[in-house]
Amino acid sequence: EPEVTQTPSHQVTQMGQEVILRCVPISNHLYFYWYRQILGQKVEFLVSFYNNEISEKSEIFDDQFSVERPDGSNFTLKIRSTKLEDSAMYFCASSGTSEETQYFGPGTRLLVL
Amino acid sequence: GEDVEQSLFLSVREGDSSVINCTYTDSSSTYLYWYKQEPGAGLQLLTYIFSNMDMKQDQRLTVLLNKKDKHLSLRIADTQTGDSAIYFCAESHSPRGYKYIFGTGTRLKVLA
Repeated sequence: EPEVTQTPSHQVTQMGQEVILRCVPISNHLYFYWYRQILGQKVEFLVSFYNNEISEKSEIFDDQFSVERPDGSNFTLKIRSTKLEDSAMYFCASSGTSEETQYFGPGTRLLVL
Repeated sequence: GEDVEQSLFLSVREGDSSVINCTYTDSSSTYLYWYKQEPGAGLQLLTYIFSNMDMKQDQRLTVLLNKKDKHLSLRIADTQTGDSAIYFCAESHSPRGYKYIFGTGTRLKVLA
């Protein structure tokens, strides 16, 4: 069964450093998303992406964040200058034109020290 | 704004039924989902229901939707210790391009 994959599974970084979280969505999907979950809290929407542009973004998704689909298979989330409060689990998701659900990846746990 | 609320904790005995409740505010929600999250793990889709349905059954899981009250529930029959996890409900206008709004999560503890 096709699945969304994410790399790395864990990342530790120093405050102020840039990080890039990578996702490979399901191959025929057209809609892509990033969510995050701070430890012990609910899952929060960050951004949705379609047709090579951002469809919607939340208040969390400020100028420090960017997304890109650099080729036909990867979808990346970049945090330019990480803050302590960026520590969270980041989930990528994708959906297709005939899907009834979004498919979530296993997540990348980011720890900012 | 859009909001999805759940009770924080539920404790049941093994073999009993569990009922996890969820309320949402967006009356235009079309899809409602239940996800399970085990400690340190990702999101496992359990089931979903369309807003034009009242009930959906899938093996041990029964979803009830009261659209008038914007209330969603998940009933787990014959609850097992392996069902211990956090359960999130989520709502969306559509899975194709629209965000999910997740609830606060209910931590289910199953006592042997």
